[in-house]
Amino acid sequence: DIQMTQSPSSLSASVGDRVTITCQASQDISNYLNWYQQKPGKAPKLLIYDASNLETGVPSRFSGSGSGTDFTFTISSLQPEDIATYYCQQYDNLPPYSFGQGTKLEIK
Amino acid sequence: EVQLVESGGVVVQPGGSLRLSCAASGFTFDDYAMHWVRQAPGKGLEWVSLISWDGGSTYYADSVKGRFTISRDNSKNSLYLQMNSLRAEDTALYYCAKGQVPAATMGAFDIWGQGTMVTVSS
Repeated sequence: DIQMTQSPSSLSASVGDRVTITCQASQDISNYLNWYQQKPGKAPKLLIYDASNLETGVPSRFSGSGSGTDFTFTISSLQPEDIATYYCQQYDNLPPYSFGQGTKLEIK
Repeated sequence: EVQLVESGGVVVQPGGSLRLSCAASGFTFDDYAMHWVRQAPGKGLEWVSLISWDGGSTYYADSVKGRFTISRDNSKNSLYLQMNSLRAEDTALYYCAKGQVPAATMGAFDIWGQGTMVTVSS
């Protein structure tokens, strides 16, 4: 099974900061990588699919990049409403479609 | 409005059984694969199971294989998860989620329900 290593596990940043989260796969997954946002008490929400494609309706300050085993998720200018936990997820070939451990983002 | 609504979560004793349901609306249900994903209290997301658009293919996480069964009734726009031999470690909020790409098992999960809570405790 493919393992996803996400870092950092928590992050504190100021409004307006550029925030970066990384995700590393245990083997090559091409671009089969998605990013989700989960706010407290809410269901996850798809932000980025296929490593770099912005889901419809998601603000352009969110972006993703990478391929193979190394991926990056970026918020270009942190907003107060971005406080959440972020998860990467791979879907290479057959299941299991594993998630990263999550990154809890807080405002400094 | 595209919507998924889970139900069936309760408190159940270890070794017990339970069936979760997920009612879909606002999209052509039988065009899409469906998933169950769970989240233990204070923990991260764990993918549980997948069923193809036509029900012909099913997949499970190792942690539930042989105990859980995923199914769907496309005539009722409904997804199910039959859970047997429940353990304390199955305690979690269970979400159903829609596959993003028509007729594909691969891809992102673009619509999620609000979740239903399963507690396994004596």
